[in-house]
Amino acid sequence: AQKVTQAQTEISVVEKEDVTLDCVYETRDTTYYLFWYKQPPSGELVFLIRRNSFDEQNEISGRYSWNFQKSTSSFNFTITASQVVDSAVYFCALPRNTGKLIFGQGTTLQVKP
Amino acid sequence: EAGVAQSPRYKIIEKRQSVAFWCNPISGHATLYWYQQILGQGPKLLIQFQNNGVVDDSQLPKDRFSAERLKGVDSTLKIQPAKLEDSAVYLCASSPDRAYGYTFGSGTRLTVV
Repeated sequence: AQKVTQAQTEISVVEKEDVTLDCVYETRDTTYYLFWYKQPPSGELVFLIRRNSFDEQNEISGRYSWNFQKSTSSFNFTITASQVVDSAVYFCALPRNTGKLIFGQGTTLQVKP
Repeated sequence: EAGVAQSPRYKIIEKRQSVAFWCNPISGHATLYWYQQILGQGPKLLIQFQNNGVVDDSQLPKDRFSAERLKGVDSTLKIQPAKLEDSAVYLCASSPDRAYGYTFGSGTRLTVV
C-alpha cells in the first residue's frame, strides 16, 4: 500500500533559522512522483515541487531545497533563512497511477519574528 | 489562466441538514477531484472524475454524499443529511489528465453544529 509519513507534527523556529521538514514514503511502484504543497492560513494548497523517482539530484529554488533519497524512501524539504511568511502547514504527497494524491498528515511550521 | 473556483467559501449548517458545494475547474482540465480535509489531517480523496465519468469513489460515504460532473465541466458535491463529523474543508482540484499538474481551489470550510 502507498503511504506518506510526516512524523513532525509541529515545528517552531525563530526567523532566519534553517528548518528541515521530513517526509518518508512507501510505495511498490518502481517509478513514481513526489510532491510538496504549502497550505497557508487561507487554506489553499500551493504547489511547491514535483520530483520524479528517476531523478535523485537535490533541487534548490531560492531559499527552498529538497533532498530526495530513494535508498531511505525520504524526500525532505529544507527552508534556509526562514521568514515569518513561511509559516504554514506543509504536506508531502505521493500520487497513485490513477492521479489520486496520498497526503501525509502535514507539518505545521511556525516562524517567529 | 483562471484558477479552480469553489463556492461557497464558508458554510455553517445544523446536523441532518443538507448542503451542496460547487466547483468550476480550469478550462480544459479533464480530471476533477474532491478532497475532504479534516482539521489536523491531510486531504483525503472523496471522488475523482475523468470528464463526466467516475474514476474512484471508493472513499465516498455514499449513504450521505453524492457528486456529479455534468457535461464534464462543473461539479457539485452534496451531503444529505450532514453529520457533525462532516465538519471539514472540502477541496476541489483539477488537472489536464491523469498527469500530475494539479491545481487546487481555495476550498469550502463546512461547520456542522
